[in-house]
Amino acid sequence: GQQLNQSPQSMFIQEGEDVSMNCTSSSIFNTWLWYKQDPGEGPVLLIALYKAGELTSNGRLTAQFGITRKDSFLNISASIPSDVGIYFCAGQQGGGADGLTFGKGTHLIIQP
Amino acid sequence: AAGVIQSPRHLIKEKRETATLKCYPIPRHDTVYWYQQGPGQDPQFLISFYEKMQSDKGSIPDRFSAQQFSDYHSELNMSSLELGDSALYFCASSSGRNYEQYFGPGTRLTVT
Repeated sequence: GQQLNQSPQSMFIQEGEDVSMNCTSSSIFNTWLWYKQDPGEGPVLLIALYKAGELTSNGRLTAQFGITRKDSFLNISASIPSDVGIYFCAGQQGGGADGLTFGKGTHLIIQP
Repeated sequence: AAGVIQSPRHLIKEKRETATLKCYPIPRHDTVYWYQQGPGQDPQFLISFYEKMQSDKGSIPDRFSAQQFSDYHSELNMSSLELGDSALYFCASSSGRNYEQYFGPGTRLTVT
């Protein structure tokens, strides 16, 4: 099946730094979603992207839907300790009731 | 705001036993999805239902079945449990044409 290549796998950064992570695929996706997951909890939706080229912000988070529809990135500005967690990209190829394909996740660790 | 409710939150079963997981979607959401997440892995899509009809199917074993009821809640039935079925099981819900999937807190299944 389709795969999403998410990088980096982990990031060790200082509080206040900006963070950037991305997902790429060999397949076209119609929707890109970004989630954050804390250990033992369900993924929390951060940003949803629906159109190629779309740039969307949610507070300190900014995400873009790549022009080719095969990639997406997420930026976090001025990181704070509560940003720690695992960030997943997820893509949907079909319609509204189709399942998501997830990337392997980016583990964000912030050093105060 | 109301979120997705899953029960039970924890379940311990022995090999070859059966298990039933329940999911109550966000009010007015008509689509439910089931995902399985192994330790250190990304969520894997199992199956989805829209308006009580199966919509999309992922890597769901033949030993598993699911359905969505008239009140939109869903149940995942798992039979002949194997050690490898130990995982977090998430339910997500969405509304109609809105592709944003909101995840529940998960059910942690341990098979001994």
